[in-house]
Amino acid sequence: EPEVTQTPSHQVTQMGQEVILRCVPISNHLYFYWYRQILGQKVEFLVSFYNNEISEKSEIFDDQFSVERPDGSNFTLKIRSTKLEDSAMYFCASRTSGSHEQYFGPGTRLTVT
Amino acid sequence: AQSVTQLGSHVSVSEGALVLLRCNYSSSVPPYLFWYVQYPNQGLQLLLKYTSAATLVKGINGFEAEFKKSETSFHLTKPSAHMSDAAEYFCAVSEGGGNKLTFGTGTQLKVEL
Repeated sequence: EPEVTQTPSHQVTQMGQEVILRCVPISNHLYFYWYRQILGQKVEFLVSFYNNEISEKSEIFDDQFSVERPDGSNFTLKIRSTKLEDSAMYFCASRTSGSHEQYFGPGTRLTVT
Repeated sequence: AQSVTQLGSHVSVSEGALVLLRCNYSSSVPPYLFWYVQYPNQGLQLLLKYTSAATLVKGINGFEAEFKKSETSFHLTKPSAHMSDAAEYFCAVSEGGGNKLTFGTGTQLKVEL
C-alpha cells in the first residue's frame, strides 16, 4: 500500500542552524501539508501546498519557514534559523484531488539544542 | 473558525469493555470530521471519516462514530476493547473537506486486563 515517507526520522540541530525536513508524498497526490506536534500538545497545522503554491498557512508559519517541491516526488520544509521552541514532531501529509482524506507520514522528530 | 474539544485526556477501560471517546466540534460551515489513531512512535492513521453522507460511520478495527449535528458531537465507540487498541486518538475537523485539519488535544486510551 502506498505511504507517505519522511526523512530523517530524528534530527538534532543547534539553535540558529538551518534544517530541511523531507517528505515523499504518495505518488498521485496533489495536495501537500505540514503539521507539527510539540511534545504533549496537539497536532497543529502549518501550511498547505498545491500547484507549486502555498494555499494556506498558519500564524506559526512565519518568515523562518518555507516549503518547496523541488522535483516531482519530494516536498520539503525548511526552517532557516531554528529556535528552541521549534523542537517538535513534524508530520507531512498528502491527499488526492477530490478526496477528503489526508495521509500522514511517520514524522520527523526535530530537537533544537 | 473551526475547533475540536476532546473530553478526557486519558481513558482507561478493561479488555472487552465498551470504548467511548468523546469529541465535540465547532464549525461555521457543515464540517468534515475525522478520527485518527497514533501508536507510539508512529504517524497518524485514519480510523474513520464523516463527509456529510451517513451519520453513523464505520471505520477500521471495529471502531465507529456517530455524527450528531444537534449536539455538535462525533464520539468514537468500539463495543469491545482489545489490548491492541491502546494508543492516542485524535478527533479532527475540516471546513470544506480537503482543507486544513484542526485537531483536538487527543485522548490516550489504556486497555487493562
